[in-house]
Amino acid sequence: EAGVVQSPRYKIIEKKQPVAFWCNPISGHNTLYWYRQNLGQGPELLIRYENEEAVDDSQLPKDRFSAERLKGVDSTLKIQPAELGDSAVYLCASSLEQGHEQFFGPGTRLTVL
Amino acid sequence: DAKTTQPTSMDCAEGRAANLPCNHSTISGNEYVYWYRQIHSQGPQYIIHGLKNNETNEMASLIITEDRKSSTLILPHATLRDTAVYYCIVRVGTSGTYKYIFGTGTRLKVLA
Repeated sequence: EAGVVQSPRYKIIEKKQPVAFWCNPISGHNTLYWYRQNLGQGPELLIRYENEEAVDDSQLPKDRFSAERLKGVDSTLKIQPAELGDSAVYLCASSLEQGHEQFFGPGTRLTVL
Repeated sequence: DAKTTQPTSMDCAEGRAANLPCNHSTISGNEYVYWYRQIHSQGPQYIIHGLKNNETNEMASLIITEDRKSSTLILPHATLRDTAVYYCIVRVGTSGTYKYIFGTGTRLKVLA
């Protein structure tokens, strides 16, 4: 069974540029999560989707971050414009249902110069 | 804020049991304890979870104290591939609002 797929694995951009991350969850998983992980820290939840609905986006910086999950499968997380402090690993995870074991992708390491 | 505290780092000899402690003194009665680990450059991987009773699976055992204020993850025969950051997590919220609050984890190094 294929795991959670994320792309790209690495991205280097200049500040003020836009950037997007893509996630394909495990087939059949209704719940999708985006986390941000700063160096030396544990992941922090940015947004959670139940199918195509964003049900918890309380930690998403909405002035520059946006996300979508069209058709309740793939998801895209966007930052526009990026700031130096956005440098981190962005992790996508999915689970059968909310509250169940989460399966994480390998993450996208973003470096903002 | 994280609801768990863990030692920053630990070493363990290969082949020996690794015992990773976690304090969660403010845990509520219906909040589960989850353990994940993160190997370098990978996403976190689920290990085990429990509420009150001790749990065991093919990867590890979880011992939860009777008052539920602390727990210990046991890797019975650590190998070099078990070197990773181990996160003890309390799942907060209720049905429909569950959320993991990650702390900074314990960096376990298994020594040859």
